[in-house]
Amino acid sequence: QQPVQSPQAVILREGEDAVINCSSSKALYSVHWYRQKHGEAPVFLMILLKGGEQKGHEKISASFNEKKQQSSLYLTASQLSYSGTYFCGTVTSGSARQLTFGSGTQLTVLP
Amino acid sequence: DAGITQSPRHKVTETGTPVTLRCHQTENHRYMYWYRQDPGHGLRLIHYSYGVKDTDKGEVSDGYSVSRSKTEDFLLTLESATSSQTSVYFCAISERTGMNTEAFFGQGTRLTVV
Repeated sequence: QQPVQSPQAVILREGEDAVINCSSSKALYSVHWYRQKHGEAPVFLMILLKGGEQKGHEKISASFNEKKQQSSLYLTASQLSYSGTYFCGTVTSGSARQLTFGSGTQLTVLP
Repeated sequence: DAGITQSPRHKVTETGTPVTLRCHQTENHRYMYWYRQDPGHGLRLIHYSYGVKDTDKGEVSDGYSVSRSKTEDFLLTLESATSSQTSVYFCAISERTGMNTEAFFGQGTRLTVV
């Protein structure tokens, strides 16, 4: 089952902050975040693991609430290059071989 | 960049014909995945493989089959293409799933069924 992302789209000005949320109805083992530019392949940003370990991007942070089965991606002081579609991917405790993605959040950063 | 190649990159085919998409990797990663991407649906998992000859279904597997006879190749077959299978297909690879390793995506195959 796909995780649910919100919002579906967000528009902001350069320098502003944004938060993208991801939630699952199942217990999560890990949450992945990817960004996709138009016409390109998704690119890895960050992984958050059950237990608090993180691996990822220097200028983007994220949180993972295991009890609520939710994750949030924080984009601070947005740059034009942050524009794209952001996907969260989840690995659930019951299906540890499957990486399932949400429907995406389209982020547009304007000058 | 991870060594992952999809072929073909673009294909137009007629309804009812079989189609095979290929994903080739040079990273020796154990896991390989096929996703389809459609507006409003994001990336949906079709099938995945966790080793040679070890495959399993994803969320939207109806009408698709896969094979993995070698570590480096993962084939996706549409037995009898339908217009609803018009989509962009992405292959992804990873060393492991659920651990602290990322997935790497191929450049995608745009398939049009007419």
